[in-house]
Amino acid sequence: GAGVSQTPSNKVTEKGKYVELRCDPISGHTALYWYRQSLGQGPEFLIYFQGTGAADDSGLPNDRFFAVRPEGSVSTLKIQRTERGDSAVYLCASSYGTKETQYFGPGTRLLVL
Amino acid sequence: GENVEQHPSTLSVQEGDSAVIKCTYSDSASNYFPWYKQELGKGPQLIIDIRSNVGEKKDQRIAVTLNKTAKHFSLHITETQPEDSAVYFCAASEDYQLIWGAGTKLIIKP
Repeated sequence: GAGVSQTPSNKVTEKGKYVELRCDPISGHTALYWYRQSLGQGPEFLIYFQGTGAADDSGLPNDRFFAVRPEGSVSTLKIQRTERGDSAVYLCASSYGTKETQYFGPGTRLLVL
Repeated sequence: GENVEQHPSTLSVQEGDSAVIKCTYSDSASNYFPWYKQELGKGPQLIIDIRSNVGEKKDQRIAVTLNKTAKHFSLHITETQPEDSAVYFCAASEDYQLIWGAGTKLIIKP
């Protein structure tokens, strides 16, 4: 079946602009996760949704980052006033439930100029 | 909090030989240990995982071993093939938050 999909695959923006990154999880998966991966490193946890609510947003680096999942399926990661340090690959994963295997999307490569 | 260390950072093996990647974790509460393979420009793909109630798990050419006492786990790939070339990540988790190692770049020499 269809895996996790993310759009756009690449995003180039200018410092100070606003960006939205979208994640479509695997159908039926109630848990959704966002991670950020810098070059040459492992992914870092940002936020976890169980259903519509953000169960844990402790990994969000600051208040410029926000994520929503209004209907318990698609999620959007929003970054305001982007900075060059936000450049990274943003990965989305979903799982059938908490503590279950996480399946990852291809990621969105964000470049802030 | 949890910390995961992974070694080596780069591993080069002859095609057909075995490859071993090792990880250590710090939090004894961690009970789930997945391994992911990441190819260039793609997201991580789960290749095998193990939970703390077992010591070893195998799937064809891939095996994972877990030593809870020493808090380390290892990935073993036998009969390596060119398509095994990628970056491999280990991770540890107590609940839903995966804590990742820094990755191992596996190079398969023809």
